[in-house]
Amino acid sequence: AQSVSQHNHHVILSEAASLELGCNYSYGGTVNLFWYVQYPGQHLQLLLKYFSGDPLVKGIKGFEAEFIKSKFSFNLRKPSVQWSDTAEYFCAVRPGGGADGLTFGKGTHLIIQP
Amino acid sequence: EAGVAQSPRYKIIEKRQSVAFWCNPISGHATLYWYQQILGQGPKLLIQFQNNGVVDDSQLPKDRFSAERLKGVDSTLKIQPAKLEDSAVYLCASRLKTLSGRTDTQYFGPGTRLTVL
Repeated sequence: AQSVSQHNHHVILSEAASLELGCNYSYGGTVNLFWYVQYPGQHLQLLLKYFSGDPLVKGIKGFEAEFIKSKFSFNLRKPSVQWSDTAEYFCAVRPGGGADGLTFGKGTHLIIQP
Repeated sequence: EAGVAQSPRYKIIEKRQSVAFWCNPISGHATLYWYQQILGQGPKLLIQFQNNGVVDDSQLPKDRFSAERLKGVDSTLKIQPAKLEDSAVYLCASRLKTLSGRTDTQYFGPGTRLTVL
């Protein structure tokens, strides 16, 4: 069975700082990778996804993520964070075939200080 | 486009009682999922439906949890009897299963927060 590890459970940054959230997965086959975000009081929303092709994917609100197959990683980045980026961020993986429910990491709670 | 609807939003029950949650997916979405999110953890898949058939229920505690999607649209998730460790947010998600099969997105509802006392 696949699993997802998010290294940082709580991150506090100042506005305009750069962000990188780590995500590693364990699964030997082809995977699809996702980052979801949950803003305070809102439901989970898709930030970006990787299925195939260019390993650098761009998502909404200036976020991007890079898939490094050799490292089983899919780290999320943003060059300059804003106060409105305060949220919970979840990395998720899905095997490339078969049943397609997502396996999520435990999440990273990001707080941006103005 | 309306999103995934869930009700109730909050529920408090005592242990050994039963409870049911309802989900209405986005119109036309054939695939429906129920996830359990315990505080401090990511969502965990409980069951996946394709139309009204079960695709994956390997992580559903079948001694106390049940789910159905009789007409391939709305779904209900039931817990009977509830235990303290069932306290969690129960999320419903849906996906439009296209011909390509797998590149479309799962959309999540707001969830039902269950507290078992």
